[in-house]
Amino acid sequence: AQSVAQPEDQVNVAEGNPLTVKCTYSVSGNPYLFWYVQYPNRGLQFLLKYITGDNLVKGSYGFEAEFNKSQTSFHLKKPSALVSDSALYFCAVSPFSGGYNKLIFGAGTRLAVHP
Amino acid sequence: EAGVAQSPRYKIIEKRQSVAFWCNPISGHATLYWYQQILGQGPKLLIQFQNNGVVDDSQLPKDRFSAERLKGVDSTLKIQPAKLEDSAVYLCASSFRRGGLEKTGELFFGEGSRLTVL
Repeated sequence: AQSVAQPEDQVNVAEGNPLTVKCTYSVSGNPYLFWYVQYPNRGLQFLLKYITGDNLVKGSYGFEAEFNKSQTSFHLKKPSALVSDSALYFCAVSPFSGGYNKLIFGAGTRLAVHP
Repeated sequence: EAGVAQSPRYKIIEKRQSVAFWCNPISGHATLYWYQQILGQGPKLLIQFQNNGVVDDSQLPKDRFSAERLKGVDSTLKIQPAKLEDSAVYLCASSFRRGGLEKTGELFFGEGSRLTVL
């Protein structure tokens, strides 16, 4: 079965410290991988994606993610966290099938950045 | 550029009543998605349209949920009759290319319609 796991319900980090939000996936073939962010009472916003190529991808707001095929992981990272980064983060995978893609989301990880 | 518009933002109904949600995607986006997001869970795809045709509705509870996109632009999602477990945020999203992910890799989401079933 195709799935995405975000093992941490919440991640707490002090402002200025590096942050990591973990994601592992289970899907056949070569998936497309994504991170989305959801601020309170707002829709999901695209952060970054991995399709192919360099395993380290850079996205919006200084975020980056590292694709590791052997560990089937796609962890989200940022060198220096900001209080404004506090939000709900979703990892998603798209198993290409029949010419149409759909996103399978993880359950989300709440990031809390403390001053 | 206008984003994905959804209405109503909030709806409270009693079980067994009906409700309808409306979505207007970004202009030019051929692919439209409806997702259900239950509190504490990630969004789950209910139905995906390519223009006015259904691409995937495998997770749509067809005995009570229906959706249409008659002219390939805006869309309506209906629930009749509603159950308590339908309480969720219903997210509409659109994308530019077929599936939307080969080219831009990005779905554009509306702010969602929050449904409470009492």
